[in-house]
Amino acid sequence: AQSVTQLDSHVSVSEGTPVLLRCNYSSSYSPSLFWYVQHPNKGLQLLLKYTSAATLVKGINGFEAEFKKSETSFHLTKPSAHMSDAAEYFCVVSGPPGGGNKLTFGTGTQLKVEL
Amino acid sequence: DGGITQSPKYLFRKEGQNVTLSCEQNLNHDAMYWYRQDPGQGLRLIYYSQIVNDFQKGDIAEGYSVSREKKESFPLTVTSAQKNPTAFYLCASSIGEGTSFYEQYFGPGTRLTVT
Repeated sequence: AQSVTQLDSHVSVSEGTPVLLRCNYSSSYSPSLFWYVQHPNKGLQLLLKYTSAATLVKGINGFEAEFKKSETSFHLTKPSAHMSDAAEYFCVVSGPPGGGNKLTFGTGTQLKVEL
Repeated sequence: DGGITQSPKYLFRKEGQNVTLSCEQNLNHDAMYWYRQDPGQGLRLIYYSQIVNDFQKGDIAEGYSVSREKKESFPLTVTSAQKNPTAFYLCASSIGEGTSFYEQYFGPGTRLTVT
């Protein structure tokens, strides 16, 4: 079975400082990994995805993530936080092959950006 | 514009009543999904469908039913058998399963309150 653990439920940063949202995963196969963002009372928007190509993945809005197989991690980073980045972020792992393209979601990290 | 629409945005029902949530997509995607979101629990899969006239139970299907009569539409019925129906419901779609995993695209969600 696959699983994903988001190590922090809340992260608070100052505007202009770096962002680090941590994610570890577990799977018995080579997974695809995703980060999604959700603003209050909205649907989820894809930030970036890893699908076994380059291990450093660049996404929208200046976010990037690095796939580290040896550490089973897929942490999300951004060099400089903006107020508009305040939202909830979900790390997601793909389901097993042949399982219908299902995804398993982490419990989310709430990012707060302060002036 | 291509996308996923969910209606209504807010829905209020009395306990004991069935209620149907609408989900429509014009992305020409084969697969569609229903998730439930509760605070601090991430997203949990209720039902999914990979093709018209076929669907499978997800992790928390009890008390819910779906149909997939058209490629574009995947309505979810929350029945009176669902013990705790108050939640935020999200519909998603994807190309389907191929040689790699495809990201899912999400609708804006429906917030259901049952009293």
